[in-house]
Amino acid sequence: GNSVTQMEGPVTLSEEAFLTINCTYTATGYPSLFWYVQYPGEGLQLLLKATKADDKGSNKGFEATYRKETTSFHLEKGSVQVSDSAVYFCALSRYSGGGADGLTFGKGTHLIIQP
Amino acid sequence: AAGVIQSPRHLIKEKRETATLKCYPIPRHDTVYWYQQGPGQDPQFLISFYEKMQSDKGSIPDRFSAQQFSDYHSELNMSSLELGDSALYFCASSSSILTGELFFGEGSRLTVL
Repeated sequence: GNSVTQMEGPVTLSEEAFLTINCTYTATGYPSLFWYVQYPGEGLQLLLKATKADDKGSNKGFEATYRKETTSFHLEKGSVQVSDSAVYFCALSRYSGGGADGLTFGKGTHLIIQP
Repeated sequence: AAGVIQSPRHLIKEKRETATLKCYPIPRHDTVYWYQQGPGQDPQFLISFYEKMQSDKGSIPDRFSAQQFSDYHSELNMSSLELGDSALYFCASSSSILTGELFFGEGSRLTVL
């Protein structure tokens, strides 16, 4: 079945540091890949997405490239801010040809940015 | 822009009681999903509806049921509540089952005492 594995946290960085959160997946077919962010006490917000191999999703300084050869979708940001502190979820669509299958999520990575 | 609306935001129930959560999707979104997120856990898919018909079922207990109504809003009914049902319940909606892009509500926090 489909699964998502992402690095465990918490990940603690200083402000302006470079961020990488690793995400690898196992899937049949050609899933779409997503990063969602969850701030304390809030719902999940879509951060970025990629729908096919070699696509790069980007938003708010974050980037991730859909690498089919390594089945990865690592999240990166060049200079993090305190306001980036949140839980980040890597996810893939289980959609494979039809149906409202929903998303499969990784376990989440808690990111803490210190001033 | 309109978002996914969930109610109530917080709910406290006793064991063996019943709870109902409501979800109002983004206008013109035809697909609704329900997820359960335990403390410190990733969201677990429960069930989804497409055009008012159940589309897919995940790890939803038999004590839970859900439906989508003619106005596309959805309700999750939970009976014989157990302590382990305490969680954040998210509803999400989508305008296209092809892209897999979901828009989440802020969640309903259920506490079972």
